[in-house]
Amino acid sequence: KAGVTQTPRYLIKTRGQQVTLSCSPISGHRSVSWYQQTPGQGLQFLFEYFSETQRNKGNFPGRFSGRQFSNSRSEMNVSTLELGDSALYLCASSLEGQFYGYTFGSGTRLTVV
Amino acid sequence: AQSVTQLDSQVPVFEEAPVELRCNYSSSVSVYLFWYVQYPNQGLQLLLKYLSGSTLVESINGFEAEFNKSQTSFHLRKPSVHISDTAEYFCAVSDTGGFKTIFGAGTRLFVKA
Repeated sequence: KAGVTQTPRYLIKTRGQQVTLSCSPISGHRSVSWYQQTPGQGLQFLFEYFSETQRNKGNFPGRFSGRQFSNSRSEMNVSTLELGDSALYLCASSLEGQFYGYTFGSGTRLTVV
Repeated sequence: AQSVTQLDSQVPVFEEAPVELRCNYSSSVSVYLFWYVQYPNQGLQLLLKYLSGSTLVESINGFEAEFNKSQTSFHLRKPSVHISDTAEYFCAVSDTGGFKTIFGAGTRLFVKA
């Protein structure tokens, strides 16, 4: 079966712009989580969605937002980009939550210049 | 709240030697524990998980981890490593009632010929 698909794979944006990243989970998975990965901070939890509802969120500013659609696909949006937002953004899906472990996508590498 | 500490940032080891990657966690409630592996330019892959029951869990490629509740540890071991095991390994913890997984900073395993 198809894995977790993240688009685009690479993105270059300018400071002040906004960006939308997309994630298609494994078919049947209803939980989608987003993580930011940087060399200095490691994997930082952004938020988790289940059946279109945000169940938990990490300690990120309000510029970071997300949503989940009825088909479980998810998007995250970052507005007013800053240089420090440059990172690998990883999406992970699971049947219903962390009990089953996550299946990760390959990520979107965002570079802010 | 949970936290995860991976005690070694890098572990160099010769091929066919044994290896142990150390992980300690902190939590006031029951937890699920995971090890993930990340190869270059890829997302994370679930290696093994502890949910309940037997404290020793194994993966299909020869890794094993033991849950030690008294020492709050979940160390990953392999009796004989291969060059192909070179990757970054992440220990992760989730509380059984929450909806997010916290990752350690990662341990880079480097297997030398």
